[in-house]
Amino acid sequence: NAGVTQTPKFRILKIGQSMTLQCTQDMNHNYMYWYRQDPGMGLKLIYYSVGAGITDKGEVPNGYNVSRSTTEDFPLRLELAAPSQTSVYFCASSQTVPNQPQHFGDGTRLSIL
Amino acid sequence: AQTVTQSQPEMSVQEAETVTLSCTYDTSENNYYLFWYKQPPSRQMILVIRQEAYKQQNATENRFSVNFQKAAKSFSLKISDSQLGDTAMYFCAFRRETSGSRLTFGEGTQLTVNP
Repeated sequence: NAGVTQTPKFRILKIGQSMTLQCTQDMNHNYMYWYRQDPGMGLKLIYYSVGAGITDKGEVPNGYNVSRSTTEDFPLRLELAAPSQTSVYFCASSQTVPNQPQHFGDGTRLSIL
Repeated sequence: AQTVTQSQPEMSVQEAETVTLSCTYDTSENNYYLFWYKQPPSRQMILVIRQEAYKQQNATENRFSVNFQKAAKSFSLKISDSQLGDTAMYFCAFRRETSGSRLTFGEGTQLTVNP
């Protein structure tokens, strides 16, 4: 019953460093999403994917990159980390049918200092 | 573009009482889906309830029910017999009918259940 698994759970980066947030799901969902949640705010979509090899930008894609080489994995890469990227990052997945809910991972708390 | 508005940043309720959280949305679509998610202090995002716009009947899940008013573009969540474990941030979310469409979230309502 793993569902959506995100690693790491916490990370501190220095300004200018890079890192990859990992996300994997074992539900064979075609759709995967990356959101960020700033303190006291709702979730904003960074990137999403409707299947292996297909990705598209969401509302706030600047400073991030994604890839989707397999159905299971959808890593999010931060290049040249900036303080404005301090946030909690959530990965989610869902079935193709739009009335099905998105299943979320437990989040990654990222601080850029 | 769709927008979702939750006009109550914070609410509180006494244990065992009933509370209603408000949500309005703006869309030109006729068919769509609405969701309420709960985020407790553990930060997990947990689906509470969902509603299909083409269904007139309001969705119900145990103590949770919605009042869906399509013409008014309103989607409120009613929690009956509130429990301490209901303390959480609640997010209303909208999704278009198009396959692959993303969720648009409101800003959230922090609900505190007092003993």
